[in-house]
Amino acid sequence: KNEVEQSPQNLTAQEGEFITINCSYSVGISALHWLQQHPGGGIVSLFMLSSGKKKHGRLIATINIQEKHSSLHITASHPRDSAVYICCGSSNTGKLIFGQGTTLQVKP
Amino acid sequence: DGGITQSPKYLFRKEGQNVTLSCEQNLNHDAMYWYRQDPGQGLRLIYYSQIVNDFQKGDIAEGYSVSREKKESFPLTVTSAQKNPTAFYLCASSIGMDGTQYFGPGTRLTVL
Repeated sequence: KNEVEQSPQNLTAQEGEFITINCSYSVGISALHWLQQHPGGGIVSLFMLSSGKKKHGRLIATINIQEKHSSLHITASHPRDSAVYICCGSSNTGKLIFGQGTTLQVKP
Repeated sequence: DGGITQSPKYLFRKEGQNVTLSCEQNLNHDAMYWYRQDPGQGLRLIYYSQIVNDFQKGDIAEGYSVSREKKESFPLTVTSAQKNPTAFYLCASSIGMDGTQYFGPGTRLTVL
């Protein structure tokens, strides 16, 4: 069983919809990262969370430490948000443990 | 501009040949990493280096080798011993092992 699990694996939405991607993780993860990978393959770090909530533009990331769960929300989604979103956890040694990714397609 | 670069973007090799993937960063980061990405799987760590002249095996190091002779460079060699080398390879760097990792654009290696 992967130490970081994401759901759903694939997600299709209409432009303007509110989107949620979920991530559950196991013990030993001290921080959670959300990454965005565009079709060309490049990866951009969106958020790093160890508690609470962070917001950047239309993106919001939350983390519940007790439940070992994090969510990434996209408000007013747009086709340019189409990408693979990857949740990954930092272990106590600093190594990253990656989820399988969620492929999001936003249709106009 | 500061950043991390990988070259080439696409690479083709015949089976049985060694191939070296380039990774360079001018962010003055101490730590550098190589990951492999396969369809339907999360990124997996191949090798990492915390500092110049030092590197450690990651989770899937077999069939790969690295060097870290300069702070800004961390080349990855995919040897003929790697059974399934066709994949997307990502390099990353961070200030320290617990810092935010910045990723390069990746190299897609296809072995024919």
